Amino acid sequence: DAGVTQSPTHLIKTRGQQVTLRCSPKSGHDTVSWYQQALGQGPQFIFQYYEEEERQRGNFPDRFSGHQYPNYSSELNVNALLLGDSALYLCASSFGYSPQETQYFGPGTRLLVL
Amino acid sequence: KNEVEQSPQNLTAQEGEFITINCSYSVGISALHWLQQHPGGGIVSLFMLSSGKKKHGRLIATINIQEKHSSLHITASHPRDSAVYICAVPLHYGGSQGNLIFGKGTKLSVKP
Repeated sequence: DAGVTQSPTHLIKTRGQQVTLRCSPKSGHDTVSWYQQALGQGPQFIFQYYEEEERQRGNFPDRFSGHQYPNYSSELNVNALLLGDSALYLCASSFGYSPQETQYFGPGTRLLVL
Repeated sequence: KNEVEQSPQNLTAQEGEFITINCSYSVGISALHWLQQHPGGGIVSLFMLSSGKKKHGRLIATINIQEKHSSLHITASHPRDSAVYICAVPLHYGGSQGNLIFGKGTKLSVKP
């Protein structure tokens, strides 16, 4: 049973470009949450998808957008990249969106913006 | 003001020592999560607890809801326990339980 997978593992972009990160949830999970983790910091909640809709959103600008597909996989899109967007982007999946559900994390995508 | 505070930020221990990592939070919660993050980024969920104490192998987590405080203990520490340990609690959105907010983590290094 595959856990949460993310692609790509590493990515280098330049300022102003756009990037798409992908996440496949653990088998049987229907909820995907995205987090940004800057170096030396704890993860920050970006948004959560459930039933193909954005259910909750953290304090991130509209440059950050996402999508969830019928198979529950999800994408995170970031437009007009800034140097400050350099971070580890983590995807987590769960069955349902209750915060009491255990979230299973993927290995992350490390994004470097030059 | 951070809603989740962890201490210490960094911790170095000798193999075999008993380790305690603390987490304090300022919001009302129904559950608290302890997570482990190894170098390279992968995060593993260790515990989710809403009261009392949970034990898994050499790891013990306790929570005091009234005092808004939780501790993670590692008994007989080993170099493979070296990692960042993160505490996370649900954030309320408009009165309903929302997604997780995280502490900055405690970086543990266990020397042989």
